[in-house]
Amino acid sequence: DGGITQSPKYLFRKEGQNVTLSCEQNLNHDAMYWYRQDPGQGLRLIYYSQIVNDFQKGDIAEGYSVSREKKESFPLTVTSAQKNPTAFYLCASSTPTGGVLFFGSGTQLSVL
Amino acid sequence: DQQVKQNSPSLSVQEGRISILNCDYTNSMFDYFLWYKKYPAEGPTFLISISSIKDKNEDGRFTVFLNKSAKHLSLHIVPSQPGDSAVYFCAASVRSGGSNYKLTFGKGTLLTVNP
Repeated sequence: DGGITQSPKYLFRKEGQNVTLSCEQNLNHDAMYWYRQDPGQGLRLIYYSQIVNDFQKGDIAEGYSVSREKKESFPLTVTSAQKNPTAFYLCASSTPTGGVLFFGSGTQLSVL
Repeated sequence: DQQVKQNSPSLSVQEGRISILNCDYTNSMFDYFLWYKKYPAEGPTFLISISSIKDKNEDGRFTVFLNKSAKHLSLHIVPSQPGDSAVYFCAASVRSGGSNYKLTFGKGTLLTVNP
């Protein structure tokens, strides 16, 4: 049963803490993406990766970091430099020919 | 600068009637457009797409229309059902001439279908 798995579903961050959101896909997709959704807002691109060991900044990369050591995995770290981290985070992947992005079920990050 | 705009934050329709959701874009390089449906606390699910070489694409109850000269697209749902109640996002990308397929999203329209 192919898909994108994000974990955890809910995550809480303390002040000054880094937290990592997990994203795993078994769709054999080359490209992976991280988006952020705030209430009443669209999805904004944080980082994306088209192949293993390569990634590019999106529109709102400040305060975030990623790695792409395996094709299946694209973890996102929300660092202490991200001053407004409370949001719903969505991971997605797409085929080499692009077009449609397939999304995971999301992680809600909140600040304690 | 918002490149994809959904100017109606919400829309309410009666069950069985037509729902029309609108989207405007400013980037003339966009050549592929998609609609996604999203429930609260879930990831968006793909509904339907259209390439800029077409002006209409239909899939069951869902039809997307593209007017390139006006930089406008719309999603028609006929007939509307209560289960269609969700937030609908319009998205666009530049597919030709490169390998970057990142999507630019609008802010979404909350559709409520009343029984």
